[in-house]
Amino acid sequence: GEDVEQSLFLSVREGDSSVINCTYTDSSSTYLYWYKQEPGAGLQLLTYIFSNMDMKQDQRLTVLLNKKDKHLSLRIADTQTGDSAIYFCAETSYGGSQGNLIFGKGTKLSVKP
Amino acid sequence: DADVTQTPRNRITKTGKRIMLECSQTKGHDRMYWYRQDPGLGLRLIYYSFDVKDINKGEISDGYSVSRQAQAKFSLSLESAIPNQTALYFCATSDLYIGQFFGPGTRLTVL
Repeated sequence: GEDVEQSLFLSVREGDSSVINCTYTDSSSTYLYWYKQEPGAGLQLLTYIFSNMDMKQDQRLTVLLNKKDKHLSLRIADTQTGDSAIYFCAETSYGGSQGNLIFGKGTKLSVKP
Repeated sequence: DADVTQTPRNRITKTGKRIMLECSQTKGHDRMYWYRQDPGLGLRLIYYSFDVKDINKGEISDGYSVSRQAQAKFSLSLESAIPNQTALYFCATSDLYIGQFFGPGTRLTVL
């Protein structure tokens, strides 16, 4: 079945850029998402990208998609301590009978002051 | 007001008890989902519903049942709770493919 892989941990210094990477196996993925989960909270949709795009920028967030390599990344510029959270990559396929999301296991981002 | 609400937020129960977790949404979405989250395992889909008359099993539906009482309400039941159902449970809603929107979660502990 489909799978989404992420590294489990990332540590950066405040003010640096963070890059969280994700790979997926479903070649029919059409929509890819990044979610943020802060401690004790639900998942917050940060951004998404359609598979016919290779980049999307939204303020401090830049999403890059390499469809050939099935690789998605999330870059957070000028990382702040408030960005410390778990970040989940997720994908879904257009026309899929389920329409549910396949999630990675999450990358825990720690931002050191 | 929150768009997706879950009750209760925390619950401690004993093995063998019946538990119901409730989810309500004001987003007007047709699609609703129940996930569980375990440390190191990410989110796994339990059940999903595309409309009031449509209920589908997800990846890990054994030991769970659901009811879609209305477009806005989707409840998850554990008929006879067991300790390995201790987890964080999330309800989500979506409008086709533009992402899913999650509730705040219910932390369930089965002793």
